[in-house]
Amino acid sequence: DVKVTQSSRYLVKRTGEKVFLECVQDMDHENMFWYRQDPGLGLRLIYFSYDVKMKEKGDIPEGYSVSREKKERFSLILESASTNQTSMYLCASRTHRDPAGELFFGEGSRLTVL
Amino acid sequence: GQNIDQPTEMTATEGAIVQINCTYQTSGFNGLFWYQQHAGEAPTFLSYNVLDGLEEKGRFSSFLSRSKGYSYLLLKELQMKDSASYLCAVPHTGGFKTIFGAGTRLFVKA
Repeated sequence: DVKVTQSSRYLVKRTGEKVFLECVQDMDHENMFWYRQDPGLGLRLIYFSYDVKMKEKGDIPEGYSVSREKKERFSLILESASTNQTSMYLCASRTHRDPAGELFFGEGSRLTVL
Repeated sequence: GQNIDQPTEMTATEGAIVQINCTYQTSGFNGLFWYQQHAGEAPTFLSYNVLDGLEEKGRFSSFLSRSKGYSYLLLKELQMKDSASYLCAVPHTGGFKTIFGAGTRLFVKA
């Protein structure tokens, strides 16, 4: 069974803290993505990676960075968390062999910044 | 730019049929996805349309009209477990991104 696993389902952090969100996929997918999901706004792309060590900004990269040192792992980093980063974060992966292929999502990480 | 519109909420009765519409404006077109997302869970793939017409998959069907920039998801014989959000999404042509609509939250009542 294919799987995208996110390290934490729920996190509570304080303003200014550094936050790491980890995502691991077992499907040997080249493409990995980080989205945030907010009510009324849908899924918005933060960053994506089309292969190991490659990364591209999405639509809302400000305040975030990413790391892709291994093919199966894509990390999202909040250098200094702020209250407006309270959100649901979703990781997804996809094979590069079909650029229009479906996305496989993790269960999500709900982050609250106090 | 790219834009996807879908209704925010819909309510339907168990056993009935419901149609969830999606309109999109994109600079190119590389197909359209529908995903289902239950509360607190990951979105899961429902359908993909790249050609005009209706694709049927059990109780769920998806329709596409490229000339009108329009798609709908049709759910038949509604069940309580169909209460979820339904996300319309379009892959960005020439790149890796997928653009999502805000989602339609469907409530199925007894």
